This record gives sequence, C-alpha cells and structure tokens, in this order.
Amino acid sequence: SQKIEQNSEALNIQEGKTATLTCNYTNYSPAYLQWYRQDPGRGPVFLLLIRENEKEKRKERLKVTFDTTLKQSLFHITASQPADSATYLCALDVGSQGNLIFGKGTKLSVKP
Amino acid sequence: GAVVSQHPSWVICKSGTSVKIECRSLDFQATTMFWYRQFPKQSLMLMATSNEGSKATYEQGVEKDKFLINHASLTLSTLTVTSAHPEDSSFYICSANKAGRTTNTGELFFGEGSRLTVL
Repeated sequence: SQKIEQNSEALNIQEGKTATLTCNYTNYSPAYLQWYRQDPGRGPVFLLLIRENEKEKRKERLKVTFDTTLKQSLFHITASQPADSATYLCALDVGSQGNLIFGKGTKLSVKP
Repeated sequence: GAVVSQHPSWVICKSGTSVKIECRSLDFQATTMFWYRQFPKQSLMLMATSNEGSKATYEQGVEKDKFLINHASLTLSTLTVTSAHPEDSSFYICSANKAGRTTNTGELFFGEGSRLTVL
C-alpha cells in the first residue's frame, strides 16, 4: 500500500531563516503532491500543489520541489516568521475522485 | 476562496448515544465530500468518500453501519456516529472539491473540524 513519511516530527528554527521540510513516499506514483498547513484544533488549509511533471513551484515565501525519481518533495519557507509556526502536512492523491492520503505532519516552530 | 463549514465544532456525548456532524459547502457545489478522522499527533485518516445521491465508499476497516454518511444535496453531507464509545473520541474533519471540475487541481477545501468526546 502507499506510504507517505514526513521525516521530522518537529522542526525548530530562528526567525528569518529558511525552514525545509521533507516528504517521502513509497509504492506509488502520484499525479500530484500537495502541501497543507494545519493549526491546532483547526482543519488543514491548502498551500501548494505540484504536478509530477513539475520540478518546482513557488508562492510568495513558499517553494516546493518534487523529485519523482527520489519520490520526495521538499517544502521551503524563506524568511520564516513566528506566524509560520504550525504543522505542515504533505498529501498524495490516491483516487480519481481526489481523495488524498496525508503524512503525519511536521510541527514547525519559528522562534523570534 | 471556497468555504466549507462544519457543525458542531465540538460535542460531548454519553457512551451509547448517536452524534450527527454536518458538513456544508457554503459557496460552491460539491459532488464529492471526504470524511477524515484525526487522533492526536496522528495524520488525517480517510474514513469514507461521500458522493451526492449515492452510497458512500468506506475505507478498509471503517464500519459503515457505525459511521453513517448521507450526502443528500450538492452542499451538504452528514456523518452520524452511532452508538458512540470512548474510542470514537477524535477530531472529525470533512473536505470537498468543487463539482463540475476535473481533479486536475486536486485542492481540497476543509471544514474546521468537529471534536467529539465520548464519555
């Protein structure tokens, strides 16, 4: 079955630095991969989607890369701010209806 | 952006009772809605896919008779936890993608979640 792993349960960085989160998957070739942000007690919020034929995608301070050979995606937040502190989830599509499987998430803490 | 609303946001019930959670798409139509469950420090686990006007598709290990799903309209899906027990206590989250579009964008719009505590 498909397996998706986010290698760090938690990541602590200093404000202004770049945060890099990793997502690895096995036993699957997704058409696209997504990243979501989840705050405590809230539902996830969509951030970025990257397709299998795309290497990199950017949105403001966010950058996502997708290496289908390594089966890995990297999620970067540049010039991080305390407000970026949250849990970040990666997700893969596993069905034609758009259902996703999620990683456990990486809890990012940005210290001022 | 698209808005998905869930109600109630939290509920406490006694063991053996049933609880209904509503999921509404407020500004778009959703032929398909998804119900997820999330335990503390765990990932979201897909429970079932809810299709408007037809029976829901349940994931392996999810009891369809315990978690009743109804998707009667393009803007409303409900999840009823029947005969709830303490082990059903969890964070239930619904999501939807927009009707009439292919899944080539794939973005899901999530509700705020419903925290269920069964005593």
